[in-house]
Formats: sequence, structure tokens, C-alpha cells
Amino acid sequence: DTAVSQTPKYLVTQMGNDKSIKCEQNLGHDTMYWYKQDSKKFLKIMFSYNNKELIINETVPNRFSPKSPDKAHLNLHINSLELGDSAVYFCASSLRDGAGAKNIQYFGAGTRLSVL
Amino acid sequence: AQKITQTQPGMFVQEKEAVTLDCTYDTSDPSYGLFWYKQPSSGEMIFLIYQGSYDQQNATEGRYSLNFQKARKSANLVISASQLGDSAMYFCAMREINTGNQFYFGTGTSLTVIP
Repeated sequence: DTAVSQTPKYLVTQMGNDKSIKCEQNLGHDTMYWYKQDSKKFLKIMFSYNNKELIINETVPNRFSPKSPDKAHLNLHINSLELGDSAVYFCASSLRDGAGAKNIQYFGAGTRLSVL
Repeated sequence: AQKITQTQPGMFVQEKEAVTLDCTYDTSDPSYGLFWYKQPSSGEMIFLIYQGSYDQQNATEGRYSLNFQKARKSANLVISASQLGDSAMYFCAMREINTGNQFYFGTGTSLTVIP
């Protein structure tokens, strides 16, 4: 069983299109995250949700909109895709108030988005 | 100021040798966690090891150990008996428990194990 699963793994699309990436975790965590990893491997936090409530919203274009229907799911919708959106997007989850080793954040396998 | 600093963009190690990947952190929160993740060429982020700020002993997980020097604010990862499969990017990360509960990642170190 995959702990944090995100789909699709690869996404190739044209500029201007709208696309979504789905993420689900079965770890019983209450906090989920979206990260963007650029071509230099730098990981940048985009959003974080705790129990469906947005708690971190970094400087990200309005074209990116996260949706959390429940605490086990956090989807990312991207409108009007641009060339600069090409990157690997990671979903992750953790316990917000975990103590000790329960602080660990677990990642999905990543979605490689290519905008042509 | 950077929360997490990894000063080694690339490292090489001979197979079966030990290697240390450096990580320094910056926080005023007395309660924090330190993490190392491995990202192989296949792209997934794999959790390796965790150290809590109040842990008295250095964390160890198999061939991985974390050299935690609290006064120096360093959390170096030591990989013993390197294997070819250890070739990957390694990220150091920190979580401040009382200050926003956010994770901060370093820029990563690319490790290449030479046969």
C-alpha cells in the first residue's frame, strides 16, 4: 500500500491548458503539503492544509488553487499553464502535532509536469 | 537568513568508504526536528533519518547516522560503507514545532559513489 499517492506521475500539456494533480494519503495524517521542485532540485513549499484548512500559502500565482475535500486528500489545480510551471510537484503529509518521530513528513512519488 | 544550509553541492565517495554530508540550521525555536531525505534519480523523496532537538543521543538508522551538534547547529549525515545505490541527492530539512510548524529544506547535496 502506497502511503502518499499522487496521480498522474507524468503530465505533458500545452500552454494555456488547465490541469489537476491528485494526492491521497492513508497514514492518518492531518496535514498535507504541495511542493514544487525546479530543474535545480530546489524544493519550494507552495501550500499546506491542516484538516482541510489552509495554513500555509506561499507566494504562488493565483492560477494555482489547492482543494482539500477531506484531510486525506489534497488536490492541486492549475489554470492557464505557462512554460515556467514545468517542474516536479510533490505532495507530502505529516501530523501537525506529532511528537518525536511522528513529526516526519512523507512524500508522494512526484508528478513531472511538462508544459509545451 | 537561510534556515537550512547545505554547502556541498556535489560529493564523491569511493564504494565501501564512509562519507559525511554537511547541514547547518538556523532557528530560535527550542523545539525542532531535523530530517534527511534521499532523492535517487528515479525522483521519489525517501525519508532516511530523524533527530529531535531534545534527543540526547545521535540518531542512527542502519548505515545512516546523524551527527547532531546542537551548540554548532549542525546535523551532518554520515553514511557508512557506501554502496553504488547511495548515489543520489540528499536533502537536509528542519521543522520548527512552535513557530508555524513549517518544514524547511536545504538546497541538497548530490552524492556520487565511485566503484
